[in-house]
Formats: sequence, C-alpha cells, structure tokens
Amino acid sequence: NAGVTQTPKFRVLKTGQSMTLLCAQDMNHEYMYWYRQDPGMGLRLIHYSVGEGTTAKGEVPDGYNVSRLKKQNFLLGLESAAPSQTSVYFCASSRDRRFSGNTIYFGEGSWLTVV
Amino acid sequence: AQKITQTQPGMFVQEKEAVTLDCTYDTSDPSYGLFWYKQPSSGEMIFLIYQGSYDQQNATEGRYSLNFQKARKSANLVISASQLGDSAMYFCAMREGIQGGSEKLVFGKGTKLTVNP
Repeated sequence: NAGVTQTPKFRVLKTGQSMTLLCAQDMNHEYMYWYRQDPGMGLRLIHYSVGEGTTAKGEVPDGYNVSRLKKQNFLLGLESAAPSQTSVYFCASSRDRRFSGNTIYFGEGSWLTVV
Repeated sequence: AQKITQTQPGMFVQEKEAVTLDCTYDTSDPSYGLFWYKQPSSGEMIFLIYQGSYDQQNATEGRYSLNFQKARKSANLVISASQLGDSAMYFCAMREGIQGGSEKLVFGKGTKLTVNP
C-alpha cells in the first residue's frame, strides 16, 4: 500500500482520553476517507474529504472529528474515547471520482483499543 | 437497505481448485463500479479486481475473474487454481455514480476463505 501512511499503527486509550490519527498520502489525491472495521461489519465510512479544507460525514460519524488542512493529510480525532470506538481504522485516498479502477488506495490500518 | 450483500460468511476450498465468492448489490444508479478487495490476516486491504457497470466484458486479473451478471445485480469473484496464500477475508464493494461522481465506497461484510492443502 505504498503512498498512504497511517500513524500510529497501534494505540491503547483509556475511556475519556483524546487522540488523533494521522493519514498522509503522497499521490496528490483529492479524495481521502476514514473507515472503521469491526468484526462481521465490513468497512464503514466515518468521514471523508473531497479536497483541501473540506470534510463531510459518512455512515458512522458520531464521536469523531476530522480536518484536512493540507491536501496530503487527513486527521481523524477522538475527543473523548469510548470503548465502542475500539476498532481498526483505515484511511484511503483516491483520484478524481470519475476515474474508476484501482484508484482507491488504503493505508495499512490503525488498531485502536479503548479500555 | 444493505447495498452490498455477501451471503457466505465462510468458504472452504481445496488447494488448486476454483472457488466462487458471491456478491449481490443494490443500486438504482446506472453508473457504478464494483470492487473486490482481499484482506489477509496481516490486515492490509489489497485491491484485486474492478468491474464498471458499462464494461462490456467481465473483468479478469490473473487468477481472478469477476462474473458480472448485471440483470441479477451480482458480481461474483472467481479464483482459479486456489493457493494456500489465498486464505483471507474477501470484501465486495460498490461505488455509485461513477459518471456524476460519488465519494463513497460501500463494503459488504466479507467472506472468509480458507484454502486447505
């Protein structure tokens, strides 16, 4: 998955703590996404961005905030972590949405546990 | 309503045999794209194959082929000559509104494939 980097890869948080996940891509992609993956649920979209300075809600946005201050970076924030946010988080990026094929690139995932 | 349905939570196949993983989808948009991703135990998402709704032929990529039946709204993944390394979770996904634009890639719940020696 060259091109999309997520940090950190593993983190344990206590309930109520805050943290930020960073996604960085070096492919000059316009679109960036944050998904969460839970057992038996596939990947669900949390928030996404269609360009620098823009963000939008996905399927499961509650409890998360995002920012896209620079085109190459998409930050996912948890202001007050809850055990229900224990999950694997994936960042993805893509070119202009009119292009099809394998233009959606995923990061390697970030494992987050909230205790 | 669920957009992507994968009805097989788990599948088993003998090494060197072919296997079909099912995927049905629901959309009223005439322009859409269908993806298959592989997720091994290490966790990364690996793109396998793509089929556009207007593509005339079924997509193929090496040992992977997509059996696209538009009228039935199905996009089954066929893996030929299974290998032990094919053991993984497989996800079907759809992106609607390719022509007009869509930001969202919707995933099914996945099928866990186990290849037996």
